Amino acid sequence: GAVVSQHPSRVICKSGTSVKIECRSLDFQATTMFWYRQFPKQSLMLMATSNEGSKATYEQGVEKDKFLINHASLTLSTLTVTSAHPEDSSFYICSARDYSEGKREKLFFGSGTQLSVL
Amino acid sequence: DAKTTQPTSMDCAEGRAANLPCNHSTISGNEYVYWYRQIHSQGPQYIIHGLKNNETNEMASLIITEDRKSSTLILPHATLRDTAVYYCIVRGIYNQGGKLIFGQGTELSVKP
Repeated sequence: GAVVSQHPSRVICKSGTSVKIECRSLDFQATTMFWYRQFPKQSLMLMATSNEGSKATYEQGVEKDKFLINHASLTLSTLTVTSAHPEDSSFYICSARDYSEGKREKLFFGSGTQLSVL
Repeated sequence: DAKTTQPTSMDCAEGRAANLPCNHSTISGNEYVYWYRQIHSQGPQYIIHGLKNNETNEMASLIITEDRKSSTLILPHATLRDTAVYYCIVRGIYNQGGKLIFGQGTELSVKP
């Protein structure tokens, strides 16, 4: 099946610094990628939709200046958590849709990034 | 997209079939039923999806009632590695850019 690679898997940073998370579609082109956040014992919460070549669409309540999304190519989307604070500590997960024949109904997920802000 | 209701948790004995129910009484005609699972500290994994007919693949079977208001995911021979949170999601294929909205899911514990 389609593979979505997410890097890094774990990051620890100091409060006030920025952290970049990469999401790559390895064997297909992804015009659309999605970013989710998950707190312990909770479900996934959609943060934003990343569109190749255009601005991301953010869900209500998600600060676009806090969570910068760049989708500069058909295989790479990045999420940058700017000026991270301890409350930003969470599990961040990306996903991508493979629009090729037979797969377009499926959404494939990365393995997630555990962010810990000290 | 229609809302789904799932039990919070379920137990299943290893080697037995795990039957996970999902209620989606407000589903519309062009909405599919998707099942994903999430093993602890990993990204969600696609399991199966269907529209009207029952579906089966190497991982599981999906049984959808005739009125499409509910469905059941069946893991025929559960193993300890099937312990995970299982999410039932309803969405139209091209609705809202294809994003998936996750509910709380069912935490399945497979016990020896």
